[in-house]
Amino acid sequence: GAGVSQSPSNKVTEKGKDVELRCDPISGHTALYWYRQRLGQGLEFLIYFQGNSAPDKSGLPSDRFSAERTGESVSTLTIQRTQQEDSAVYLCASSSYLRSYEQYFGPGTRLTVT
Amino acid sequence: LAKTTQPISMDSYEGQEVNITCSHNNIATNDYITWYQQFPSQGPRFIIQGYKTKVTNEVASLFIPADRKSSTLSLPRVSLSDTAVYYCLVGQGGDYKLSFGAGTTVTVRA
Repeated sequence: GAGVSQSPSNKVTEKGKDVELRCDPISGHTALYWYRQRLGQGLEFLIYFQGNSAPDKSGLPSDRFSAERTGESVSTLTIQRTQQEDSAVYLCASSSYLRSYEQYFGPGTRLTVT
Repeated sequence: LAKTTQPISMDSYEGQEVNITCSHNNIATNDYITWYQQFPSQGPRFIIQGYKTKVTNEVASLFIPADRKSSTLSLPRVSLSDTAVYYCLVGQGGDYKLSFGAGTTVTVRA
């Protein structure tokens, strides 16, 4: 595809439920990133993939958050037992390995936990 | 990553030039300066990157003085569609953990 795509675009879930967010990176981009953006705030780094390995998971807020990536393709971010403070826009980005400062972002998934 | 400071907001009118200055007093020798733009309900978009002097592309110009302790993003002849949040980032080429602060909200009025 031409850009990074994410699904769903919006997700409303009840507190305590699990959610899965999906990211399709730009073809050929080996690096993939997940960020979280709360309303009116900057981006918060969650996790970085190089290929299908995640050398940096330091930004994951708790053990309720996990992510995986299949090869150099699709990634899913899973949030278990969602809490209201998980409500935010979750952004995925991809880049080539050598140009990690130039990340291409998807439109995000707006998660609302009620 | 070097800390950056930029104005919270700026107002402008269509057709004017907008200059956003970012301070980064602790910039390291190997650091580059990168700017992103974010429209409402969209992910950020890479605009421009530079190391020193001046860089220009089809979207903006980036001016970096010799001491590199600040940089200025210049948007020529803005239109209403340039209303967005602009983020200044400083880091090395291999940095992937982009640190986006609050950015500068630029509002362009008719």
